[in-house]
Amino acid sequence: DTAVSQTPKYLVTQMGNDKSIKCEQNLGHDTMYWYKQDSKKFLKIMFSYNNKELIINETVPNRFSPKSPDKAHLNLHINSLELGDSAVYFCASSQGTAPNEKLFFGSGTQLSVL
Amino acid sequence: DQQVKQNSPSLSVQEGRISILNCDYTNSMFDYFLWYKKYPAEGPTFLISISSIKDKNEDGRFTVFLNKSAKHLSLHIVPSQPGDSAVYFCAASAMGTYKYIFGTGTRLKVLA
Repeated sequence: DTAVSQTPKYLVTQMGNDKSIKCEQNLGHDTMYWYKQDSKKFLKIMFSYNNKELIINETVPNRFSPKSPDKAHLNLHINSLELGDSAVYFCASSQGTAPNEKLFFGSGTQLSVL
Repeated sequence: DQQVKQNSPSLSVQEGRISILNCDYTNSMFDYFLWYKKYPAEGPTFLISISSIKDKNEDGRFTVFLNKSAKHLSLHIVPSQPGDSAVYFCAASAMGTYKYIFGTGTRLKVLA
């Protein structure tokens, strides 16, 4: 029974398309995150929600829009995909907010924009 | 500006020997540090953490050392096992920021 699950695992799409990645956690955690790992292997935070409220919004293009319908779900919608959006996107959750909280990660979604 | 750095992209160690992975940081406000392990096609998994009020934390074969004056932490794995072969990320957080900053990872290969 996967603690943090995200779908799809692989996503190949054309430039200009709109796509969504879904994430669900069954750990009862209050906080969820989206991280992006680019080609240089940097793992950078994009967004964080605590009890469905946005608490972190890094300098991410507004083509990226997170949605948290409830505490257990944090989806990521990306409009007008660009080549530079190709990366691995990781969803994560924690009981509370950092610091002093362990993050539990999903297995990642490899997005390839052609 | 990369606040957390892992300057060694890869490391090879013989089975049974000690593996030492290093991490440097620049932000003196960081007060909590974690190490994560990542296998291919999987998400990072938590390994061990340390608070800035401590200089050492041990969990089985894994020990993390923190040198605040040098802004340096290290992860020691002893004895190393082939199953330890993975990418190791260090991460740091400062109170009130609600986020972790990750390093770029070190790929550890333990040779049987």
